[in-house]
Amino acid sequence: DAMVIQNPRYQVTQFGKPVTLSCSQTLNHNVMYWYQQKSSQAPKLLFHYYDKDFNNEADTPDNFQSRRPNTSFCFLDIRSPGLGDAAMYLCATSSHTRDTQYFGPGTRLTVL
Amino acid sequence: DQQVKQNSPSLSVQEGRISILNCDYTNSMFDYFLWYKKYPAEGPTFLISISSIKDKNEDGRFTVFLNKSAKHLSLHIVPSQPGDSAVYFCAASEPTSGTYKYIFGTGTRLKVLA
Repeated sequence: DAMVIQNPRYQVTQFGKPVTLSCSQTLNHNVMYWYQQKSSQAPKLLFHYYDKDFNNEADTPDNFQSRRPNTSFCFLDIRSPGLGDAAMYLCATSSHTRDTQYFGPGTRLTVL
Repeated sequence: DQQVKQNSPSLSVQEGRISILNCDYTNSMFDYFLWYKKYPAEGPTFLISISSIKDKNEDGRFTVFLNKSAKHLSLHIVPSQPGDSAVYFCAASEPTSGTYKYIFGTGTRLKVLA
């Protein structure tokens, strides 16, 4: 089945220790997104790639970076995680920004 | 400021009855709306959508109604089943700088009682 895969499902890191979250897709979609969702809050878009074009949201902290080395993979790098970065991180894909987004299961990040 | 609001954090409904989940929005530029369903430990999955040129879209047991003048949409599930128990997110899309962006609500947790 075509799908969106996120690894790891659970990630524990220490305050200030860089961490990388991974997303891969078999849908061959052009667009890949990263969302941050904190408890009882709406998923918040951090950035998205349309092919190789990177689109950063204005309020995404500089601490968050992303890489998309090829169509299938996208990475979220948190350079110096703070306690406030503990959240569920959702990856999604779509064929076009207008189209339905398909989500992965998420990575729950804990910062100690 | 939250542009998409789901004011009911939770809803309980008896099996077989109608579930009505509500969503309000503030941005009149939103022109496409979606509902997603999320089970625990899974990502949100697309359920149903509606364009701003329509006021109703139906797919099996699920119907979405859009009232543009009130900036309100609702999702009706009839009849409700225990397997419908999940968190439901409303999302709205606006065209921006040649692309589209979705804004999500905070979700409503639906519990269907057997």
